[in-house]
Parts: sequence; structure tokens; C-alpha cells
Amino acid sequence: DSGVTQTPKHLITATGQRVTLRCSPRSGDLSVYWYQQSLDQGLQFLIQYYNGEERAKGNILERFSAQQFPDLHSELNLSSLELGDSALYFCASSVATSGNTGELFFGEGSRLTVL
Amino acid sequence: GDSVTQMEGPVTLSEEAFLTINCTYTATGYPSLFWYVQYPGEGLQLLLKATKADDKGSNKGFEATYRKETTSFHLEKGSVQVSDSAVYFCALSGLVRAARQLTFGSGTQLTVLP
Repeated sequence: DSGVTQTPKHLITATGQRVTLRCSPRSGDLSVYWYQQSLDQGLQFLIQYYNGEERAKGNILERFSAQQFPDLHSELNLSSLELGDSALYFCASSVATSGNTGELFFGEGSRLTVL
Repeated sequence: GDSVTQMEGPVTLSEEAFLTINCTYTATGYPSLFWYVQYPGEGLQLLLKATKADDKGSNKGFEATYRKETTSFHLEKGSVQVSDSAVYFCALSGLVRAARQLTFGSGTQLTVLP
């Protein structure tokens, strides 16, 4: 158990809909990362938050947005869903000390299926 | 930018065979290097890491040595087991605008047959 909690584990929805994925980081971790894993694209970095502020952006579509709340949990919002958005979405967290080597702790993922 | 190139899979081995999964990287500065493992239906777990040149990371019989001269971090195990069947990801951690970022390779699917 990594200590990172993601909900829901599975989600099935239709094209054009909007969904929200939720992540609770490990206790004490200030950074939260979102990754998308699909068969054809591999593991793609979407976005990182640090203590409520956006820190880095990767290959995140404009239809997707995220935020990190004061209690440090994070939500990833996916809107106007397309078939190609079907994927496993991972949240990860990391420690925030200056000695951070970059190790991430991953949740079990949220599997999104768009029909 | 930073990048990681991994040996393409899938790799299929018999139990007790020797395993090597190649990984090379491109990065500025001195990144930390990682191997993550993803078992079926689960999230990624850190398998081992090395934070500076010539460091050897090891865990569960797996080893990898940080080779700066060849920019490589190959994963090895002397005798694989069926339970090692998983997807293995090589990754590096570099600084992007003062923030630590993990860059992953494409992953290598390993299947070990009894």
C-alpha cells in the first residue's frame, strides 16, 4: 500500500460527458502528480501541483483541468470526453524536502472507459 | 529535454533464466534514476533507485548500476520467477523549472513461464 488513494477505481461514461477523478496523497506529501496511461501512448505526465499551486504542466489537453485543495487532495476534471480519453489515470505524490530525489508514490489508478 | 529509452518488449523467459532490460537516458545535470514495476491491475511501485554515478540500486534480487559514461541504467536479475511477470519502467528524475519531474520510458512487459 503506497498510501495514495484514488477514487473511483473504475468509471464508465459516454462521449461528451464530464467526470472527476479524486486523489488523496500520502500523509505529509505536498506534491501531487497526474499521469495518463494508455496502450498506445504509454505513461504520460499531465500536471503537477505543489501545496495548492500548479507547478508543472505536461501533455494535458485543454478539456482537462486539475486542482489541489487546502487539505492537499487533488481532483482531475475531464470534460467533453472522447473515446480516446479511455485510459488508466494515475495519481502520485512525493515528499517535499530539499533532499527529494524525485521518487513518486503511485495510487492504484482510476480506469476510465468512454463509450 | 530529458528522455528515457527502454528495451522494447515483450520479453518472455523461462523460470530461473537471467534477465536484462536495457535502459539509456538523456538528461542535463545529474538525474536520479529509477526502476518502477507495475504488476497486473496495480499501480506503479518503486523497485530500486540510484542517485549518483556508480551507485548500484538493488531490491528483491534485481540490480541496476548508474553508469554515467554510457548513460545507462540496465536492470538485471540472475534468476527470474513467475511472480516477476510485470511491466518494468525505467525513469529519471530531473529538474524542470526548479521542480522535480519524473520522465518514464515506454515500459517493458516481462512474462516468466514456469
